[in-house]
Amino acid sequence: GNSVTQMEGPVTLSEEAFLTINCTYTATGYPSLFWYVQYPGEGLQLLLKATKADDKGSNKGFEATYRKETTSFHLEKGSVQVSDSAVYFCALQTGANNLFFGTGTRLTVIP
Amino acid sequence: DTAVSQTPKYLVTQMGNDKSIKCEQNLGHDTMYWYKQDSKKFLKIMFSYNNKELIINETVPNRFSPKSPDKAHLNLHINSLELGDSAVYFCASSDEGTGNTIYFGEGSWLTVV
Repeated sequence: GNSVTQMEGPVTLSEEAFLTINCTYTATGYPSLFWYVQYPGEGLQLLLKATKADDKGSNKGFEATYRKETTSFHLEKGSVQVSDSAVYFCALQTGANNLFFGTGTRLTVIP
Repeated sequence: DTAVSQTPKYLVTQMGNDKSIKCEQNLGHDTMYWYKQDSKKFLKIMFSYNNKELIINETVPNRFSPKSPDKAHLNLHINSLELGDSAVYFCASSDEGTGNTIYFGEGSWLTVV
């Protein structure tokens, strides 16, 4: 079956710290992989995506590389800001167009 | 210009009432969805429609009935609301032309009291 396991939070970092949120997946076939972000009181926004092995998705300083050999799609950012405080969701999409989400990781960045 | 818009954003209602959440997308996408986010932030698909036809119907109580009058609209009607229906409901859409990437609306926060 299809499933996503992501690092449980909450994660609290100081401003300018390095961020890694781990995400691993189980899927039949060759899924596309996504990171979505939900800022406080807001909806889901697509942060980045990768559609095939070794692809790197990037946006707003965040990056994630599709690693087929380790079935992972870890989210990284070199220097977080207070405005990055949000809940981050890793997700995979199969050919049926259904998105399977991880449980979300809450990130809090303190000044 | 909001791509996927849903109304209302906030809804507080009593148990037993019937309510609807409306969704419209102006992206020209063929596929629309409803997702539910529970109090623990867990997200799960409820329904998916492609060109007004039901594609995915997860295990959802039949008190929930989606209606798609055209491919740009997918409304969610809920009968006999229960406390456990309190959640955030997200509408979304996608299309082959965008690589089937799913774009979400801003969510509707439903509270049943």
